[in-house]
Amino acid sequence: DTAVSQTPKYLVTQMGNDKSIKCEQNLGHDTMYWYKQDSKKFLKIMFSYNNKELIINETVPNRFSPKSPDKAHLNLHINSLELGDSAVYFCASSQGTRAGGTDTQYFGPGTRLTVL
Amino acid sequence: DQQVKQNSPSLSVQEGRISILNCDYTNSMFDYFLWYKKYPAEGPTFLISISSIKDKNEDGRFTVFLNKSAKHLSLHIVPSQPGDSAVYFCAASGSNFGNEKLTFGTGTRLTIIP
Repeated sequence: DTAVSQTPKYLVTQMGNDKSIKCEQNLGHDTMYWYKQDSKKFLKIMFSYNNKELIINETVPNRFSPKSPDKAHLNLHINSLELGDSAVYFCASSQGTRAGGTDTQYFGPGTRLTVL
Repeated sequence: DQQVKQNSPSLSVQEGRISILNCDYTNSMFDYFLWYKKYPAEGPTFLISISSIKDKNEDGRFTVFLNKSAKHLSLHIVPSQPGDSAVYFCAASGSNFGNEKLTFGTGTRLTIIP
């Protein structure tokens, strides 16, 4: 059973399009995250939700909008895609928000987004 | 501003020998450090962590050492096995940051040579 799953695994699209990436976790965790890994391999947090409530919102363009319909799902919608949005996007989940403690983050396999 | 740095993009080690991966950080407010391992086409998986109140944590073949004064940590793998070939990410967090987040380094690709 996959603990944290993402769909799609690969996404190729044109500039200006709108796309969504879905994430689901079956670990019963309360907290979910979106990370972006860019071409320089930096893995950087974008958003974090705890019990469907946004708790971390890094400096991300407002073209990116996360949506958490329930605790097990955190989707990422991206409007007006740009070339610089090309990256691998990872979803993750943890029981609580203590990144610096016992709340180990479990990552999905990633979605490779290519904007042409 | 890169607060967590892994200056070696790659490392090759003979099977059975010790692998040492290094990580430096600049933010003195970090008080918890983690290592994640990543295979191709998979997400990172947690490997081992250490709190700033300790200077060493061991789990089987994996040991993490923390030198707070130097703002440096290292991961030792001994003996190295072919299955250890992966990208290793160092990450740091601060418990007094409010909503905690992980700050990652750029990773070191470890290749174990049979």
